[in-house]
Amino acid sequence: KAGVTQTPRYLIKTRGQQVTLSCSPISGHRSVSWYQQTPGQGLQFLFEYFSETQRNKGNFPGRFSGRQFSNSRSEMNVSTLELGDSALYLCASSVGFGGVDEKLFFGSGTQLSVL
Amino acid sequence: AQSVTQPDIHITVSEGASLELRCNYSYGATPYLFWYVQSPGQGLQLLLKYFSGDTLVQGIKGFEAEFKRSQSSFNLRKPSVHWSDAAEYFCAVGGNFGNEKLTFGTGTRLTIIP
Repeated sequence: KAGVTQTPRYLIKTRGQQVTLSCSPISGHRSVSWYQQTPGQGLQFLFEYFSETQRNKGNFPGRFSGRQFSNSRSEMNVSTLELGDSALYLCASSVGFGGVDEKLFFGSGTQLSVL
Repeated sequence: AQSVTQPDIHITVSEGASLELRCNYSYGATPYLFWYVQSPGQGLQLLLKYFSGDTLVQGIKGFEAEFKRSQSSFNLRKPSVHWSDAAEYFCAVGGNFGNEKLTFGTGTRLTIIP
């Protein structure tokens, strides 16, 4: 069974641009979560989608948005990029939606650099 | 608000030596605790978790962790490290209340020297 796939692996953008990241969950998984990972900050929860609906959202500005498609694939969009958005963006999938006892399976991430 | 502290940013140990990575948490109720490992260029992989019961938890790759409520700690241990254990390790805490999500620590980078 294929794991969680994130594309692209690396991205370089300039300030003010927008970017879209993609995540394909493990087959049969219906929940997708997104995390931002930066040195010294660890992982910060962005949002979670289940059955095409956003079910939970972290403390990030509205420039960060996402969506989920009927096949459970998810995209994350960041508009008006800032230098501080440079980070590794991780996607995780799980079978269902609910509490922390849902096992998360992480992708390898998209490394975004904003110049 | 819940929080996780991993006081060691970087640890270096010799191959074959024992390892202990520290994790302290703050949580208002009985916590669910996790350790994840991130190898270079990879996503996070669950090493072990504690929900309830025996406070000494066994995980994959020979790791174990001990939950100490009195010290609000959940330290990760391995008796003898291998070069392949070089990675970043994250402790996380959460609770099974509705839609609560995990709070992660800032990570500890482990370097193994021959």
